Amino acid sequence: AIQLTQSPSSLSASVGDRVTITCRASQGISSALAWYQQKPGKAPKLLIYDASSLESGVPSRFSGSGSGTDFTLTISSLQPEDFATYYCQQFNSYLYSFGQGTKLEIK
Amino acid sequence: QLQLQESGPGLVKPSETLSLTCTVSGGSISSSSYYWGWIRQPPGKGLEWIGSIYYSGSTYYNPSLKSRVTISVDTSKNQFSLKLSSVTAADTAVYYCARSRRELTGDLSYYYYMDVWGKGTTVTVSS
Repeated sequence: AIQLTQSPSSLSASVGDRVTITCRASQGISSALAWYQQKPGKAPKLLIYDASSLESGVPSRFSGSGSGTDFTLTISSLQPEDFATYYCQQFNSYLYSFGQGTKLEIK
Repeated sequence: QLQLQESGPGLVKPSETLSLTCTVSGGSISSSSYYWGWIRQPPGKGLEWIGSIYYSGSTYYNPSLKSRVTISVDTSKNQFSLKLSSVTAADTAVYYCARSRRELTGDLSYYYYMDVWGKGTTVTVSS
């Protein structure tokens, strides 16, 4: 099974900061990676799919990059509503796995 | 607008079978562009994919749960269901159902991404 490792596990930042979260896959997955945002008590929300495609309705301050084993999620200018937990997810041969999550907190 | 709603018992006894249903409204479960799946999240922990099903009945399961999981679909009711047998306290979690949308990538591969989620239902395993 393909494992995803996110870093950091937690992150403190301020409104307006530029933030980057990384996700590393245990083997190459081409571009089959998504990023989700989850707020407390809510279901996850798809932000980025196919490593770098922005989901409809998601603000353009979110961007994704990478291919193969190394991927990043960048938030260009943090807004108050962006403080949440972020998960990467891979899709390979119709099986999925998630990273362990990155909790983004207000500094 | 497509909506998914999980339903089922909130309390299950150890060693019994957990059964949940996801009802799809605002769209058809019988579309060739989507898979339908279950994901869970233990209290204070991360997300774990359980399994997925196509409207035709083709299934894929998390290898770590495969021996205990059955996912089925009822296209006439626009529903799909999860059964997890021999549950223990470790199966206590919020259970989500989700739609996975098909995307054609630059290398002409199809990948599926979970774009619509239910609100989740809490299942506690306890005697």
